[in-house]
Amino acid sequence: GAVVSQHPSRVICKSGTSVKIECRSLDFQATTMFWYRQFPKKSLMLMATSNEGSKATYEQGVEKDKFLINHASLTLSTLTVTSAHPEDSSFYICSANPASTGEQYFGPGTRLTVT
Amino acid sequence: SQQGEEDPQALSIQEGENATMNCSYKTSINNLQWYRQNSGRGLVHLILIRSNEREKHSGRLRVTLDTSKKSSSLLITASRAADTASYFCAYSGAGSYQLTFGKGTKLSVIP
Repeated sequence: GAVVSQHPSRVICKSGTSVKIECRSLDFQATTMFWYRQFPKKSLMLMATSNEGSKATYEQGVEKDKFLINHASLTLSTLTVTSAHPEDSSFYICSANPASTGEQYFGPGTRLTVT
Repeated sequence: SQQGEEDPQALSIQEGENATMNCSYKTSINNLQWYRQNSGRGLVHLILIRSNEREKHSGRLRVTLDTSKKSSSLLITASRAADTASYFCAYSGAGSYQLTFGKGTKLSVIP
């Protein structure tokens, strides 16, 4: 099946710093990718829809200036958590779907810990 | 987006038994998918059922969809210890690939 990778898998950073997370579709092109956030023992919550070549669409309550999304190519979307705080510590997961299919393929996730 | 509901929240069974998880949603959907997540890991896609389908099988998995009741169920037959994981339903509306996730069911299969 389609493969989506994320990098890094785990990152620890200090409060106030910014962290970039990459999401790549390895064997297919994705005009749309999705970013989710998952708190411990909770479900996934959609943060934003990343659109190649245009601005991301953010869900209600998600600060677009804090969570910067760039989708510069058909195989790469990046999520930058700016001025990170401990409450941003979470599991961030991206997904993408090959064109014309409904199935979404998920990356392995990035565990962010802000100290 | 409104989160779907899943029940039970947690399920503990003996190896060899069947496990049934249910998912309810509130909107019209295009399709509904089931995913598995091992602790602290990414999601693994299990099965997709379209809104015009009522039942689908994949190995030991059986998924049903009742659009009149806005509900779906996932049945895992002859469970194994390796099936221990959290299971999530997720659905998308017409014309959208955006997924709304259910709250998940944590399944524990005891050897």
